Amino acid sequence: GAGVSQSPSNKVTEKGKDVELRCDPISGHTALYWYRQSLGQGLEFLIYFQGNSAPDKSGLPSDRFSAERTGGSVSTLTIQRTQQEDSAVYLCASSLMGGAQPQHFGDGTRLSIL
Amino acid sequence: GESVGLHLPTLSVQEGDNSIINCAYSNSASDYFIWYKQESGKGPQFIIDIRSNMDKRQGQRVTVLLNKTVKHLSLQIAATQPGDSAVYFCAERNTNAGKSTFGDGTTLTVKP
Repeated sequence: GAGVSQSPSNKVTEKGKDVELRCDPISGHTALYWYRQSLGQGLEFLIYFQGNSAPDKSGLPSDRFSAERTGGSVSTLTIQRTQQEDSAVYLCASSLMGGAQPQHFGDGTRLSIL
Repeated sequence: GESVGLHLPTLSVQEGDNSIINCAYSNSASDYFIWYKQESGKGPQFIIDIRSNMDKRQGQRVTVLLNKTVKHLSLQIAATQPGDSAVYFCAERNTNAGKSTFGDGTTLTVKP
């Protein structure tokens, strides 16, 4: 079956530009997560959506970062006025629900800010 | 604050040997633990999980051990193969909070 799909797989943009990263979760998964991974590092939590509940935005590093999840499925992570320190791999994961369920990850979007 | 860390950043083993990857966590409220494998250019792949009401769980060639007393988690891989070479992350979660906290990962290299 189809896994978590992220697009684009790579994105190169100039400092100051806005970028949108897309995540298509596994069908039927109610929980969706965004993480950021810098080179050689672990995963930094950004935001978590669970069903119709208010998202947990506690990991967003600044107000330049925002995310939406439309119709309980597709999610978009938006970074405004990108900075060089935003360069990283952005990973999306979904799970059947929150709680004791493993997350299934996409292969990420590698974002490079010039 | 909460943190999840691994004792060793790299581990090198001979093909066929058993591997043990360790992880320490600090959030005593965590009740669910997961091991992931990440290959280069890919997202983390679920290996095995364990809930806090257990101290051992076995899968195919993998075993996870949980010691809540000392907040320690380990992943044992039996008969390690070259395809096991990857970065391994542990993650912990308080299932009431939703998000997982990941360690920095251990790079496993399997020598033929």
